[in-house]
Amino acid sequence: RKEVEQDPGPFNVPEGATVAFNCTYSNSASQSFFWYRQDCRKEPKLLMSVYSSGNEDGRFTAQLNRASQYISLLIRDSKLSDSATYLCVVNRDDKIIFGKGTRLHILP
Amino acid sequence: GAGVSQSPRYKVAKRGQDVALRCDPISGHVSLFWYQQALGQGPEFLTYFQNEAQLDKSGLPSDRFFAERPEGSVSTLKIQRTQQEDSAVYLCASSFDSPDGYTFGSGTRLTVV
Repeated sequence: RKEVEQDPGPFNVPEGATVAFNCTYSNSASQSFFWYRQDCRKEPKLLMSVYSSGNEDGRFTAQLNRASQYISLLIRDSKLSDSATYLCVVNRDDKIIFGKGTRLHILP
Repeated sequence: GAGVSQSPRYKVAKRGQDVALRCDPISGHVSLFWYQQALGQGPEFLTYFQNEAQLDKSGLPSDRFFAERPEGSVSTLKIQRTQQEDSAVYLCASSFDSPDGYTFGSGTRLTVV
């Protein structure tokens, strides 16, 4: 079993819709949590950190549930430019561990 | 430089050939990481340096893989006797002191033929 599990998708979503991704992690010693975005043939880039209290950055909302070892990302009012792979990431022992990624296609 | 620089951008190697991939991190970044990303997969951790010390090499898939960072700045990932399964994008990331600050290079796409 992978340490960080994500539904690979693809999620095909009409422009303007709301979409949510989930991720689970297996190691309870994981210390911090992130969502990264990766465009085709590009490097991953940090989208946002994830906190237990929940945090929001514009149309993006991230949530962490430590008890269930579960992380989520919500995208509201999706744009064509949101099409990408979203990588769930945990930090454990000073290294970051990636999930396989969830592919999102926003349809015009 | 302004970002993490990796070279070469693309490398085609014949099976059995040795290759060396270079990573030039952001100046002053203490931590440096190497990841391997196969097509359709997330990046897989290979190894991690803090300054010149290699603190974790648990992700290196075999003893054909070797990484160094002798002066705590530039790092080289060497793969000996390349095999087809080594074909992947090799990503380097650096950070000052926290995972919030990870910056990735554009990667080296290695194709073993």
